Amino acid sequence: DIQMTQTPSSMPASLGERVTISCRASQGISNYLNWYQQKPDGTIKPLIYYTSNLQSGVPSRFSGSGSGTDYSLTISSLEPEDFAMYYCQQYDSSPNTFGAGTKLELK
Amino acid sequence: QVKLLQSGAALVKPGASVKMSCKASGYTFTDYWVSWVKQSHGKSLEWIGEIYPNSGATNFNEKFKGKATLTVDKSTSTAYMELSRLTSEDSAIYYCTRLNGYGPYWYFDFWGPGTMVTVSS
Repeated sequence: DIQMTQTPSSMPASLGERVTISCRASQGISNYLNWYQQKPDGTIKPLIYYTSNLQSGVPSRFSGSGSGTDYSLTISSLEPEDFAMYYCQQYDSSPNTFGAGTKLELK
Repeated sequence: QVKLLQSGAALVKPGASVKMSCKASGYTFTDYWVSWVKQSHGKSLEWIGEIYPNSGATNFNEKFKGKATLTVDKSTSTAYMELSRLTSEDSAIYYCTRLNGYGPYWYFDFWGPGTMVTVSS
């Protein structure tokens, strides 16, 4: 299985701050990389699909980039509702696998 | 609007089985794969497997073969997952989710609220 290493595991940040979360695959995944947000109540929603495509309804402050084995999610200016867990997911090969998650916390 | 409504929390004894449901609405149930994802307490997400309601075709993570059984009832637009021979390792929240996409773009676009399963004597 492809291992997804997500860093950092937690990140204290302030409102308005620009943050970047990284995800490294154990082998190249050809941009088959998605990002999800999980709120404290457990609600999960997609943010970015195929590395850099913004899901409908997701604010433009979210963006994704990367290639090969290294990918990132950037939030340009944190809003209160962005403090949540974030997971990357590869779907290059089965089984699709998720990173361990990054907890974005209010500093 | 698309909704996935999952069954309520379950408390089950070790060695028993549990069957949970995921009722879809707001879209044509038979047109999309439904996946199941496990989240152990405080941990990440694990893909268990998927089912295509139109045909009943399934694919599984090798780790969950023999543990999970996926079925659907097309008449009620409901997907089911049964977990067997439960141990404490199966205590987790289980999500159903819809797979959407085309070409290279595939992702889980709608998620249910999750079903918490607790295995305890």
